[in-house]
Amino acid sequence: DTEVTQTPKHLVMGMTNKKSLKCEQHMGHRAMYWYKQKAKKPPELMFVYSYEKLSINESVPSRFSPECPNSSLLNLHLHALQPEDSALYLCASSQAGELAYEQYFGPGTRLTVT
Amino acid sequence: QQQVKQSPQSLIVQKGGISIINCAYENTAFDYFPWYQQFPGKGPALLIAIRPDVSEKKEGRFTISFNKSAKQFSLHIMDSQPGDSATYFCAARVRNRDDKIIFGKGTRLHILP
Repeated sequence: DTEVTQTPKHLVMGMTNKKSLKCEQHMGHRAMYWYKQKAKKPPELMFVYSYEKLSINESVPSRFSPECPNSSLLNLHLHALQPEDSALYLCASSQAGELAYEQYFGPGTRLTVT
Repeated sequence: QQQVKQSPQSLIVQKGGISIINCAYENTAFDYFPWYQQFPGKGPALLIAIRPDVSEKKEGRFTISFNKSAKQFSLHIMDSQPGDSATYFCAARVRNRDDKIIFGKGTRLHILP
């Protein structure tokens, strides 16, 4: 199974809402990632978890809060977002270490902030 | 500077032709160079990757050429097919930061039937 699943596929939320994005993989990967992708732009790294510990936070605003409950799951908690946060949020996973450049991406969650 | 410069921004190729996408980098902080392919509505998918000590790597119709001295690398798609129409991103992995890759800005490829 080389699939990364993400839920929900689409999400519309107001600026005062709290919501969560979920990501799951069963490839035994120990590195998991959150990316943000705007239209016609490359994925932009937000967070990296390695062995369930946060290893990279690319200076993301605190209204985005990641969580890695176990080696297969990754969540992104959203609170008080701004309209400019509307984007495709991609989850990815990889083996940790040398082969971490081989990342497997999910289909993404299309987020619209109103 | 940790950037990967990619060109062209968009490319139109006739079916059966060769599609060529170029990337360049400035410093030597990178140790792996993967290429990702993204179809509309999908996440990126790893296509092929190369290390800087290898000058060429071929997988089917896809070939990466790497020029270490020029700090340039390119993707060649032979016998391009309409199904190859997608956005292609070159990328580079930051040495000693195993889990961080830097993406180029992408090339939107359209293969005419």
